[in-house]
Amino acid sequence: DSGVTQTPKHLITATGQRVTLRCSPRSGDLSVYWYQQSLDQGLQFLIQYYNGEERAKGNILERFSAQQFPDLHSELNLSSLELGDSALYFCASSVGEGTLPSGANVLTFGAGSRLTVL
Amino acid sequence: AQRVTQPEKLLSVFKGAPVELKCNYSYSGSPELFWYVQYSRQRLQLLLRHISRESIKGFTADLNKGETSFHLKKPFAQEEDSAMYYCALKGNTPLVFGKGTRLSVIA
Repeated sequence: DSGVTQTPKHLITATGQRVTLRCSPRSGDLSVYWYQQSLDQGLQFLIQYYNGEERAKGNILERFSAQQFPDLHSELNLSSLELGDSALYFCASSVGEGTLPSGANVLTFGAGSRLTVL
Repeated sequence: AQRVTQPEKLLSVFKGAPVELKCNYSYSGSPELFWYVQYSRQRLQLLLRHISRESIKGFTADLNKGETSFHLKKPFAQEEDSAMYYCALKGNTPLVFGKGTRLSVIA
């Protein structure tokens, strides 16, 4: 599958714990984006990486961190988890960096990782 | 600040009826607007973008800068159009999404 791959699909954990979500971008894409989707807030942009470097930051909590590795896969680390962190976390990728209007900036989404914090 | 508003959470129409999903945006610069769709049990995927000025699956959307709108339209709804639709804006940050409108086409 050359699309965006996210693991795990589902994750259940307890408050205070730490989890890592993984994303492999579509083949050839250099940018990775993380979004959080909760019931009331819709899709909220968290952070973007391009070719290993952080490019843009959105509403990402200090308890959350991310990185993009040399093979372009990315990980989102969520720590000191709270009940309110329960959400669907989407990864998306694009070819371009996102600085200019271009078809290279169209996002391809993964299936998401559903996190439940009990 | 960039903001996208989709005023309707749910829109129900009969098969064959016209559809209009509303989207209003707030952005001081020249935006790039998109519609993404999520069918049941499928991933979020691009439906169309204003730069392409194309019609996809019978849907069109025109960017109206005066009214800051990018409404999605289809003259005759089909049952397979039932899905969640998200309007998105790209300004000087990555895509900002609206909260989505669930379209339900009734046979």
